[in-house]
Amino acid sequence: EVQLVQSGAEVKKPGESLKISCKGSGYSFTSYWIGWVRQMPGKGLEWMGIIYPGDSDTRYSPSFQGQVTISADKSISTAYLQWSSLKASDTAMYYCARSLVPSKYYFDYWGQGTLVTVSS
Amino acid sequence: AIRMTQSPSSFSASTGDRVTITCRASQGISSYLAWYQQKPGKAPKLLIYAASTLQSGVPSRFSGSGSGTDFTLTISCLQSEDFATYYCQQYYSYPPAFGQGTKVEIK
Repeated sequence: EVQLVQSGAEVKKPGESLKISCKGSGYSFTSYWIGWVRQMPGKGLEWMGIIYPGDSDTRYSPSFQGQVTISADKSISTAYLQWSSLKASDTAMYYCARSLVPSKYYFDYWGQGTLVTVSS
Repeated sequence: AIRMTQSPSSFSASTGDRVTITCRASQGISSYLAWYQQKPGKAPKLLIYAASTLQSGVPSRFSGSGSGTDFTLTISCLQSEDFATYYCQQYYSYPPAFGQGTKVEIK
């Protein structure tokens, strides 16, 4: 069974750093892309970026370039999304999801989401 | 960047109704369109890709059509479990983009 299991909810202060994770199982982790999607409270879905764990090829949406870092450790089938200095506006649910076809990214399996709350 | 616009943003319907949601792209995207369903507190779920291909396990009452700039998602006979928010997503060009969502509520 394909599963993407994300790390638990986080509460952070502005200016703090954070790294959340997404562990894949039930499929060949290095053969699929893993993307990240933001959903701010009560709002829609926003594409952030995507990584190919096989060779760490990474692409960012222009809106998120420089704001977050996407990485992966294929040895433990885990992808990451990290911030170096959080802002209150980073408060959101973050989903990881799997995509197969290079450059034609839609998601067939999703993680359960990680809620990030940034508040002083 | 390509922008995706869904209509309506929300509407009310009854169980058994036939409902249609529209998604329009700001430029042609061929058939590179996916539809997702999201229920409150849950992750999105893929319903349709390539504009009209039903994802495995998705009930046949869901169907998609369109190409170019105009697309539709149709639910032929609305069931109680279909009350949710639906999103389209283009994956023709980078960055991929979602529509703003259409919430289907119980009348």
